[in-house]
Amino acid sequence: NAGVTQTPKFRILKIGQSMTLQCAQDMNHNYMYWYRQDPGMGLKLIYYSVGAGITDKGEVPNGYNVSRSTTEDFPLRLELAAPSQTSVYFCASSLTGPDTQYFGPGTRLTVL
Amino acid sequence: RKEVEQDPGPFNVPEGATVAFNCTYSNSASQSFFWYRQDCRKEPKLLMSVYSSGNEDGRFTAQLNRASQYISLLIRDSKLSDSATYLCVVFKAAGNKLTFGGGTRVLVKP
Repeated sequence: NAGVTQTPKFRILKIGQSMTLQCAQDMNHNYMYWYRQDPGMGLKLIYYSVGAGITDKGEVPNGYNVSRSTTEDFPLRLELAAPSQTSVYFCASSLTGPDTQYFGPGTRLTVL
Repeated sequence: RKEVEQDPGPFNVPEGATVAFNCTYSNSASQSFFWYRQDCRKEPKLLMSVYSSGNEDGRFTAQLNRASQYISLLIRDSKLSDSATYLCVVFKAAGNKLTFGGGTRVLVKP
């Protein structure tokens, strides 16, 4: 089992560019999450999904979009990248809401 | 006031010593509590869930105090490998809300 995988590992974007961060899990988990972690800070929830076709906003959703067409995949879309979106992005999954969350290795994004 | 607050540290701990730190939460409706461990530049990993009666896992003991709205983590006989950031996580079923604290950094030194 690969667990939770994320691509790419690193990316540098110019202001105004767009990109999609990929996340996949092979554990048949219902819940999936996207977080961002700024240097020295805790994780902030961007979006989450409780199952295929269902997504909901977290604490900091502005500037991002998600979709969940399958149980396995939960891509995060950045439109019009801004320097404030420079961060480490973690995808996670869990079987149920309060259950153990399994995290991917993260994507380090820099917007210049 | 932040929903989940932690002392950022660092807590400098001699190898073999005991260290304890707390995490306070503001929402009394919070239902589930967890400690995650995060190594430098790595993803968080679940250390342990926190049960109402308190629980222990080897050298780690977690406690919940609902009256004062905090959870605690105690590490006994600290090892160099315990050096990490410990993240407090609080779950509230209403709104399916999972909130992470900013983390407490622990440095175990020889």
